Amino acid sequence: ETGVTQTPRHLVMGMTNKKSLKCEQHLGHNAMYWYKQSAKKPLELMFVYSLEERVENNSVPSRFSPECPNSSHLFLHLHTLQPEDSALYLCASSRREGTGELFFGEGSRLTVL
Amino acid sequence: DQQVKQNSPSLSVQEGRISILNCDYTNSMFDYFLWYKKYPAEGPTFLISISSIKDKNEDGRFTVFLNKSAKHLSLHIVPSQPGDSAVYFCAASLNTDKLIFGTGTRLQVFP
Repeated sequence: ETGVTQTPRHLVMGMTNKKSLKCEQHLGHNAMYWYKQSAKKPLELMFVYSLEERVENNSVPSRFSPECPNSSHLFLHLHTLQPEDSALYLCASSRREGTGELFFGEGSRLTVL
Repeated sequence: DQQVKQNSPSLSVQEGRISILNCDYTNSMFDYFLWYKKYPAEGPTFLISISSIKDKNEDGRFTVFLNKSAKHLSLHIVPSQPGDSAVYFCAASLNTDKLIFGTGTRLQVFP
């Protein structure tokens, strides 16, 4: 398996549920990212992990909790979300010493009821 | 405050003609600019990039032009093909570890 893989592809959850999104990259990259894509808005950077350390947290609410156990895996733990959190969540990876080119997964479509 | 702007939400072009997608930015410190293409139900895929020290980069049917004085870049696709129909995102990089994206332009290439 190659590239960046995200699971699940679709997730429906209630506001009181706890769920997690998973991302796995097989490209040997050393940086991983979570982006949020809402309708008619730019892709919003949420978190950046470089060499498994979180280097950026773009003022994301604490109901989103990232975890990077190693350079190939990234999780986004979700807890007590709001309906406005419904969006496409995209994981990406890159080489930190590169030109900023990101390789994206196919995304996890989240619906919060 | 949106640092990368794509003011045209959609563009429709006939097959064989040139498609021109535009992007404006506000931060003169951006050092790399990239274009991504996104099909429905897929993640964005990298298309072409340009360093801030250049004004043109070409790759097959795709050419990106950078006008730093105007803080403007454009993507030219020629000739356009139906398979080019997708959403195109412009992105700018600051110190390579952060990409800031525009809202995207939906390109439709019709026969």
